[in-house]
Amino acid sequence: NAGVTQTPKFRVLKTGQSMTLLCAQDMNHEYMYWYRQDPGMGLRLIHYSVGEGTTAKGEVPDGYNVSRLKKQNFLLGLESAAPSQTSVYFCASSYSIAGGGSNQPQHFGDGTRLSIL
Amino acid sequence: KQEVTQIPAALSVPEGENLVLNCSFTDSAIYNLQWFRQDPGKGLTSLLLIQSSQREQTSGRLNASLDKSSGRSTLYIAASQPGDSATYLCVLIQGAQKLVFGQGTRLTINP
Repeated sequence: NAGVTQTPKFRVLKTGQSMTLLCAQDMNHEYMYWYRQDPGMGLRLIHYSVGEGTTAKGEVPDGYNVSRLKKQNFLLGLESAAPSQTSVYFCASSYSIAGGGSNQPQHFGDGTRLSIL
Repeated sequence: KQEVTQIPAALSVPEGENLVLNCSFTDSAIYNLQWFRQDPGKGLTSLLLIQSSQREQTSGRLNASLDKSSGRSTLYIAASQPGDSATYLCVLIQGAQKLVFGQGTRLTINP
């Protein structure tokens, strides 16, 4: 019962470096999401995908790119890391679209703690 | 713009007490409302989901209510246990991918 798995769990980067966060789900979910969680801000949606090969912008997409080449994987890339991107990143997946009158909840990974120095 | 407020920000109670966590929101045009718990260093676990046409949902010792007209939801926890200690998040779902998260109530149950 792996559910949603995020790698790595922790990472420290220097300003300007690039990296990719990996999210994998084994529930055959169509929909996948990347959020960031900051103190006093709640979770905010960065990007999401409604199926293999598709991606769309969320609330705070600037500075990030995503790819969904395989249905089970959703990658989040930081092109040139900035201190403002220090955060905890959560990946989630769902069987049906969030908010579409569905009663299916989203499933979350345990998060990636990223620090940009 | 939808705003979600959770009060109190932190709550500490002795084991065995019944307690209520509050969530208020400014825009009643929602599809669903969900309550999640988040344990330290972990992701979010869905506890209850209330669709906009429903008034409440129950799961074990948990009961969540929804009153759209007053912009309020409550999460009732009966006979609290130390294992209930976590941060509880109220999340409003307003449309496709439109989730608005509260900042959470950090709950501590003292043995």
